[in-house]
Parts: sequence; C-alpha cells; structure tokens
Amino acid sequence: EADIYQTPRYLVIGTGKKITLECSQTMGHDKMYWYQQDPGMELHLIHYSYGVNSTEKGDLSSESTVSRIRTEHFPLTLESARPSHTSQYLCASSEIVQDFISPLHFGNGTRLTVT
Amino acid sequence: KNEVEQSPQNLTAQEGEFITINCSYSVGISALHWLQQHPGGGIVSLFMLSSGKKKHGRLIATINIQEKHSSLHITASHPRDSAVYICVNFGNEKLTFGTGTRLTIIP
Repeated sequence: EADIYQTPRYLVIGTGKKITLECSQTMGHDKMYWYQQDPGMELHLIHYSYGVNSTEKGDLSSESTVSRIRTEHFPLTLESARPSHTSQYLCASSEIVQDFISPLHFGNGTRLTVT
Repeated sequence: KNEVEQSPQNLTAQEGEFITINCSYSVGISALHWLQQHPGGGIVSLFMLSSGKKKHGRLIATINIQEKHSSLHITASHPRDSAVYICVNFGNEKLTFGTGTRLTIIP
C-alpha cells in the first residue's frame, strides 16, 4: 500500500494552462523530492525540500515551482504549460533521523502531456 | 560526469540466468539504494545498504565501501524481473542517481 500519493496519474492539457501536480505522504518524512523523467531516460532532480518552508532547485533547470507549507504536502506548479514540459513527474520522500536512514519512497508518478 | 556509474546499460539474458548489475560511485555515501522501475513507470525501493550484504528472495545486494562499488545480483532470473534497475547514492544529504540498467529476461 502506497504511503506517498501523486495526483493526477495522467494529465493532458493545452499550452498555456496553469497546472499543479499534487504529492502527499503520510510517513512524516521531512525530505521530499520532485524528479522529471522522459521515457527510457534517467531521473533528473528538479526540486527538493528538507522541511516546511524549505525548497531548493535541483540539478535540472525547470520552469516549475514548488511549495512546502505542510510536512506532508509538496505540490509542483507550472504557471504556463508548454509541450516541452511533456514528461513523467515522480515525487519521492525519505528521512534521516540521527543514524537512521529510511528507504526512498516513490509515488506512482504523473504522466503529463501538453498539447 | 555522473558521480554514479552503472554497468551494463542494457542487459538481455535467458530465463534462469544469474544476473549481476554493477554500480560505482565517486563520493562518500550515507546509504546506497537499489531501485526497480517497471515499464509502467512505478518505482520500488529494493534495498538500502551502507555496508555488507542484504538478501531478499532471489535478490542480493552487496557493497564495498573501500572500493566505492555495489552490485545487485538476481538468481534464477525470471521474465517478471525485466525492468530498469537504478542505484542511488544518498550521500551528504544529496541524492545522486545512476543512469540505470535496463534488464530484459527472455523466457
């Protein structure tokens, strides 16, 4: 049973629309991540957060933005979708407490198509 | 240059063969994860290890900290093992993903 949830699972949207991809986890993890993955390609980190009100850009430049107002919620927003944003977006979470490192937990992903 | 290198990039084998996927990293780790991604896109964490060896069913993961190298082994491989296997270096609070190994097991 998934402890990290992403919605929607699939999204087809027109150019210029604003969209928000949702990611929620029930494990109380401080660390959350957004990855972008094109078919058959590597995962690329686009945003991460180490706790409430903490967000950072990742290794891959992205026109998206994120927020972390609550521990369990890490939404990703595209203000104006473009066809180049067509990709799969994966959310993940983990935790380090003293010497204990939790495994990475991934959501099922959102497959976004911008027409 | 990716700090986490996997080999091979692609591997095709017959059902029943013993499979080895390798992962080398260049910076220190807090933990190394092995992930499995199926064609549908879902990702499952297989192992997380920082030393020694772990076994789960037909899967075995080993790590050599001194050599900065980890291996994932699959015994008695099966077509349902066909997936992309990814190692992830969790070091200094930064995650670095390997490029992935695409495994195809032929019946």
